[in-house]
Parts: sequence; structure tokens; C-alpha cells
Amino acid sequence: QSALTQPASVSGSPGQSITISCTGTSSDVGSYNLVSWYQQHPGKAPKLMIYEGSKRPSGVSNRFSGSKSGNTASLTISGLQAEDEADYYCCSYAGSSTFVFGGGTKLTVL
Amino acid sequence: QVQLVQSGSELKKPGASVKVSCKASGYTFTSYAMNWVRQAPGQGLEWMGWINTNTGNPTYAQGFTGRFVFSLDTSVSTAYLQISSLKAEDTAVYYCARGIYGDVPRLDYWGQGTLVTVSS
Repeated sequence: QSALTQPASVSGSPGQSITISCTGTSSDVGSYNLVSWYQQHPGKAPKLMIYEGSKRPSGVSNRFSGSKSGNTASLTISGLQAEDEADYYCCSYAGSSTFVFGGGTKLTVL
Repeated sequence: QVQLVQSGSELKKPGASVKVSCKASGYTFTSYAMNWVRQAPGQGLEWMGWINTNTGNPTYAQGFTGRFVFSLDTSVSTAYLQISSLKAEDTAVYYCARGIYGDVPRLDYWGQGTLVTVSS
């Protein structure tokens, strides 16, 4: 199972919106609306931000939203804030009770 | 509150074995699956697999079969990851993460991570 493809880095200024893409195949992202997104600050454990494509866990800001089109899932962060600067990872169901992560995207808030 | 507390850092020589523990509290242990995730230094997250905390049945990702073993002690709400025949490339932070049953990658609580260093 190959890792999902994410851009290595994205950046944006405070207040702006950014979108991080996560491209898989028809065997994972394309077949299921079961993508989750995780935020990881340096030296910290990952944190669940989005699950089942677009659902937010309790306590996660509504500035974070998820969507999917075809084999590509996306995470959008609106109203960028300095604390959003982190690494972001997507994760998809990949069949046969297995999951696969994306390679990760480093978000820089300028 | 839900907590996953992992055992401390380990320094091992190549060829040795290591066992990482993940103690759960704040919820019914057997109501959720336990996943394991690896992160090599400066690298991304890698899903290693998961274990059914009801049956003890493990599922391993490609690349994590043979030397990697997931196990449980439900009497103390603890999951274990054992790695045998350690290699330098096993050097990484290993996370346990709670997941729901069913084919949904919803890892909602994570341990703090355990650094395993393999060096002669």
C-alpha cells in the first residue's frame, strides 16, 4: 500500500485560507469517504482534526473543514492563525481493514 | 478523561528486542481498537496496524509483518508492541492511538509516543 500524496509544504498569511490536498487511488480515497486529518506540532503527538471526510471532533475549530472529489481529499483551514503552523497528515481506509497515511504537509503561517 | 500513557524511551542494540506498553484509562478498554503508528526521525506517520481489544486479533500493515507483534493485557487495560531482531532503521517514535471498530480511520486519542533508538 503506497502512501497518499500530499504537497510537502504550503503557506499562507494570517487571516487567509489554505487548502491541503491528499491524493490517493480508486482503492482508497476514491472508494470511501473515510479520510481523516491530523495536526502535529513539533515534538507532540498527532491530533485528530477531521474524520469521515468532513466531520469535526468536539473541540476542533470550525475553521477546519474537509472535502473530497474523486481520488483527492482536501483539508481547508480558513482564517489562518499562527497556532495553525504545524504538520498535517491525511489518512484513508485502504481496504481489508487497513489504513494508509499521506506523506505529510508542513504548513507555514507567514 | 481518556488517556493513553506509553512506556519510556528505549536504547537497544541491533538484534535485540523491545516491548513498548500503552496503558489506557478513562474509557472501557475493550470498546475501542488500538492502533500503532511509527514516525522515523524527521519523517511522516506510518500506520503499522491495529489490534482488536476484544479478541486480541491483530492486523498488520505491509512492511510490519514478522518482527512486529501486537498484544494485550486486558486485565490492566494495556496494549503492547514488541519488535524483535531490531535494526537501525527501526529507530523511531512509536505511538499507540485509540480507534473505533469498523473500517474508519478515526484515531481520536494518542499516547505521548515512545522513542526507540537502535544503535550499537
